Amino acid sequence: GQNIDQPTEMTATEGAIVQINCTYQTSGFNGLFWYQQHAGEAPTFLSYNVLDGLEEKGRFSSFLSRSKGYSYLLLKELQMKDSASYLCAVRSYNTNAGKSTFGDGTTLTVKP
Amino acid sequence: GAVVSQHPSWVICKSGTSVKIECRSLDFQATTMFWYRQFPKQSLMLMATSNEGSKATYEQGVEKDKFLINHASLTLSTLTVTSAHPEDSSFYICSVLARPDRPNEQFFGPGTRLTVL
Repeated sequence: GQNIDQPTEMTATEGAIVQINCTYQTSGFNGLFWYQQHAGEAPTFLSYNVLDGLEEKGRFSSFLSRSKGYSYLLLKELQMKDSASYLCAVRSYNTNAGKSTFGDGTTLTVKP
Repeated sequence: GAVVSQHPSWVICKSGTSVKIECRSLDFQATTMFWYRQFPKQSLMLMATSNEGSKATYEQGVEKDKFLINHASLTLSTLTVTSAHPEDSSFYICSVLARPDRPNEQFFGPGTRLTVL
């Protein structure tokens, strides 16, 4: 099976930088996803990593180390609207149709 | 515009009744759709994989006779919660695996909040 760990809660200040970590254990790794989910809404896609390294997309960046089973999501210039839950999800070749397993999510609170 | 729609967005029903939730892929054909359930402050739990023209594949612990899935066309999958009980109250979300021009993205519907009284 797949085991995904991420911190439950984090707090940061508006304008600051925050890093949300995710560690995973899986066989047949086939990609790691980060999603943002605001309360009461469905998740929205943020990033996808399948090779080692950093993927940058505007204020958000995602890093992957396959050998360490580790990823992080980096949020820069935090805004109040970034307060949300951030879900790490891993896809495996051993699962059917490429389905992903989700971590429990990290609730980020951005304070003024 | 939205890639995946769900209807209804919320529903309140009495215990013992059945509720049908629709998931539509709006701008491309989806042979595979996924149904998730999310309880408050918890992550998404995959319930089943819906395959167009064939039987759905259910995850371990999900009762297939209680959660009926029909994927009759390439743009529509339905989830029917039969004989709903209060413990079935949850946020139900469908997703589409990918679209040809964005193969690594999973698109989610807006979700359906079910409350069983």
